[in-house]
Amino acid sequence: EPEVTQTPSHQVTQMGQEVILRCVPISNHLYFYWYRQILGQKVEFLVSFYNNEISEKSEIFDDQFSVERPDGSNFTLKIRSTKLEDSAMYFCASSSEGNQPQHFGDGTRLSIL
Amino acid sequence: AQSVTQLGSHVSVSEGALVLLRCNYSSSVPPYLFWYVQYPNQGLQLLLKYTTGATLVKGINGFEAEFKKSETSFHLTKPSAHMSDAAEYFCAVSESGSARQLTFGSGTQLTVLP
Repeated sequence: EPEVTQTPSHQVTQMGQEVILRCVPISNHLYFYWYRQILGQKVEFLVSFYNNEISEKSEIFDDQFSVERPDGSNFTLKIRSTKLEDSAMYFCASSSEGNQPQHFGDGTRLSIL
Repeated sequence: AQSVTQLGSHVSVSEGALVLLRCNYSSSVPPYLFWYVQYPNQGLQLLLKYTTGATLVKGINGFEAEFKKSETSFHLTKPSAHMSDAAEYFCAVSESGSARQLTFGSGTQLTVLP
């Protein structure tokens, strides 16, 4: 069964550094999403992306965050200058259509030191 | 705004017993409702979904859930628990429509006792 793949599985970064989290959505999917889960807290929506532009974003997704689909297969989340509070599990998801269920990757655990 | 409340952060059942995980939601528009399961060190796997139509929906691994609009609930059940069901379960809601964000509950950790 096709799946969403995320790399790396664990990323350790110094505070203030830029980090790029990578995702390969399911190949025929058109809608892409990022969520995060801080340890012990709920899974929170960050951003959705369709047709090469952001569809929705949450309050969390401020100017330090950006998303990009650099080619036909990858979908990336960039955090420009990481803070300690950015430490979390980041999940990528994709769906074939906007009203279809979202399929999630296994996540990238981001640790900011 | 929409929200999800999952009653019970931890639920323990004996193997073979009924599993009942509770989920209540609030939404200002007709919701789409989902249950996801997360096994250790893995992502979120869709168990089942309700969008429109039949209010009792069946999912994978013998789970089912019933959408009750009057109670704003979408409880997850399984008649007979198996050891492999031990995992964390998340209820989620989205507005109907395109590319809508999921709002998750805080999750319920299910333990299955031998």
